[in-house]
Amino acid sequence: GAVVSQHPSRVICKSGTSVKIECRSLDFQATTMFWYRQFPKQSLMLMATSNEGSKATYEQGVEKDKFLINHASLTLSTLTVTSAHPEDSSFYICSASYPGGEKTQYFGPGTRLLVL
Amino acid sequence: AQKITQTQPGMFVQEKEAVTLDCTYDTSDQSYGLFWYKQPSSGEMIFLIYQGSYDEQNATEGRYSLNFQKARKSANLVISASQLGDSAMYFCAMRSIIQGAQKLVFGQGTRLTINP
Repeated sequence: GAVVSQHPSRVICKSGTSVKIECRSLDFQATTMFWYRQFPKQSLMLMATSNEGSKATYEQGVEKDKFLINHASLTLSTLTVTSAHPEDSSFYICSASYPGGEKTQYFGPGTRLLVL
Repeated sequence: AQKITQTQPGMFVQEKEAVTLDCTYDTSDQSYGLFWYKQPSSGEMIFLIYQGSYDEQNATEGRYSLNFQKARKSANLVISASQLGDSAMYFCAMRSIIQGAQKLVFGQGTRLTINP
């Protein structure tokens, strides 16, 4: 099956710093990648959708200047949390899909972010 | 608006018993897809089963089956012969086209605990 990786798996940073999370599709070309955030004991909330070569589409309430998304190639999307604060601490999960693969999105293993 | 409802925050089942996890959905779309994902404590999202809105037969994947009742807008997951390794969070999700973009909307999740 299709494999999606994320790096890093966990990161601890100081308040005010920026953190970059990478999402890669390892064995397929992902025309669309999705970024989710999951707070403890809650469900996944879609943050943004990114298509290769175009600007990401952000969900209502998600600050695009704070959560920078770059989908530079068909196998890589990055999420940068700028000027992170403790309330940004969460579990960030990416997923990827490809044309004809509408039956599912393939999820990465997630990144746990802790902002001190 | 598209919405997924999982009314069981937690379920406790004896090993080897069958278990049904409830999921109801609300959509005005004619074409949609329904998914179940398993999320163990590690956080990864594991795809279990998919049902398309036009599929006439209920989907099955090994010990997993989806009881699709279109008129009732329900898509319950049935796990037969439960195992200790089935203990995890389970999320029901619906694929919808929202403002021209394909998105997954998740329910609140059900925490399943299998007792030996």
